[in-house]
Amino acid sequence: AQSVTQLGSHVSVSEGALVLLRCNYSSSVPPYLFWYVQYPNQGLQLLLKYTTGATLVKGINGFEAEFKKSETSFHLTKPSAHMSDAAEYFCAVSDYGNQFYFGTGTSLTVIP
Amino acid sequence: NAGVTQTPKFQVLKTGQSMTLQCAQDMNHEYMSWYRQDPGMGLRLIHYSVGAGITDQGEVPNGYNVSRSTTEDFPLRLLSAAPSQTSVYFCASRYGQGGYNEQFFGPGTRLTVL
Repeated sequence: AQSVTQLGSHVSVSEGALVLLRCNYSSSVPPYLFWYVQYPNQGLQLLLKYTTGATLVKGINGFEAEFKKSETSFHLTKPSAHMSDAAEYFCAVSDYGNQFYFGTGTSLTVIP
Repeated sequence: NAGVTQTPKFQVLKTGQSMTLQCAQDMNHEYMSWYRQDPGMGLRLIHYSVGAGITDQGEVPNGYNVSRSTTEDFPLRLLSAAPSQTSVYFCASRYGQGGYNEQFFGPGTRLTVL
């Protein structure tokens, strides 16, 4: 089975600072990788995904992530944090099968 | 499109009661799934379905039943609620069975079992 590790269950950044949320996965086959965002009391919304092709993936709200096969990582970044970025972020991995495997999530706090 | 809808939004049950969480999608997605979300544990898969009439167990299926009689609907039944089932439940759907397709999530049902 696949597994996903998100380092840091809570991350705090100042408004305007770089956001870096870490995600590592284990997979015996080339994976499909996803980042989702969850705002308070809402469902999950897709930020971006990697399937094939370019390893640097751009998503909504200025976020991007880079697939690094050698490091089995898919870290999420945003150059300048905004107050509206405060939310829970989930990394997920899927393969050729039917199941998604989610990390335990990272709560992002943005300090004004 | 309404996307994925879930009812109710909130529910309080007493131990031993039964209930059904409703989930519907209007995107003609073949794949539907149920997750529960608990603090510090991320999302855990309860049951999933790859099409009408086909269901399978996920990581934490005990205490839950599902059926899929139509493409649109995928209800989750709690047979005899227990306090350990207090959680937030999310339904999701995606097109096809390929792992490269993202899942679309409903707004969730917050369940408390007393």
